[in-house]
Amino acid sequence: AQSVTQLDSQVPVFEEAPVELRCNYSSSVSVYLFWYVQYPNQGLQLLLKYLSGSTLVKGINGFEAEFNKSQTSFHLRKPSVHISDTAEYFCAVSKNQGGKLIFGQGTELSVKP
Amino acid sequence: NAGVTQTPKFQVLKTGQSMTLQCAQDMNHEYMSWYRQDPGMGLRLIHYSVGAGITDQGEVPNGYNVSRSTTEDFPLRLLSAAPSQTSVYFCASSPSGVETEAFFGQGTRLTVV
Repeated sequence: AQSVTQLDSQVPVFEEAPVELRCNYSSSVSVYLFWYVQYPNQGLQLLLKYLSGSTLVKGINGFEAEFNKSQTSFHLRKPSVHISDTAEYFCAVSKNQGGKLIFGQGTELSVKP
Repeated sequence: NAGVTQTPKFQVLKTGQSMTLQCAQDMNHEYMSWYRQDPGMGLRLIHYSVGAGITDQGEVPNGYNVSRSTTEDFPLRLLSAAPSQTSVYFCASSPSGVETEAFFGQGTRLTVV
């Protein structure tokens, strides 16, 4: 069975500081990995995805993530955050059917001035 | 470009009442799915469809029914609402293919009293 663990439920950070949101997954087969962002009172929006190839994936709004197969991790990073990055971030995996996702518990990123 | 449209946005039900949450997409996507979002639990898959006439259960299907008579629509039915079904419900659609991203609606916030 697959599972996704987001290691931090809340991450407070000051504006312009770097941030890393951690995600670990477990799966006995190859998976596809995604990060979604949810702004307050909105639906989810794709930030980036890893399918194959380069382990460093760049997404929208300056975010990037690194796939590490040996550590089964897919951590999300941004070198300098803005107030507007305040949102909830979800890591997700998909094994065998597009759109059938298994989500982590979510990480609330709170950017303070 | 409407994308995925969910109605209603908010709903309050009494225990035992029934209702249907509507979901429509205009992107001609084959896959559609329903998730519920609860604090600290991320999103969990309720039901899933890979095309008109084909549905399957997800992780938490009890108390919910679905049908898919057209490509565009995927309604979620609560036959007898319970307080445990208080949640935010998201509908998503995606093209066929394992690696494709899911597109989410804005959500329906349901309270069962």
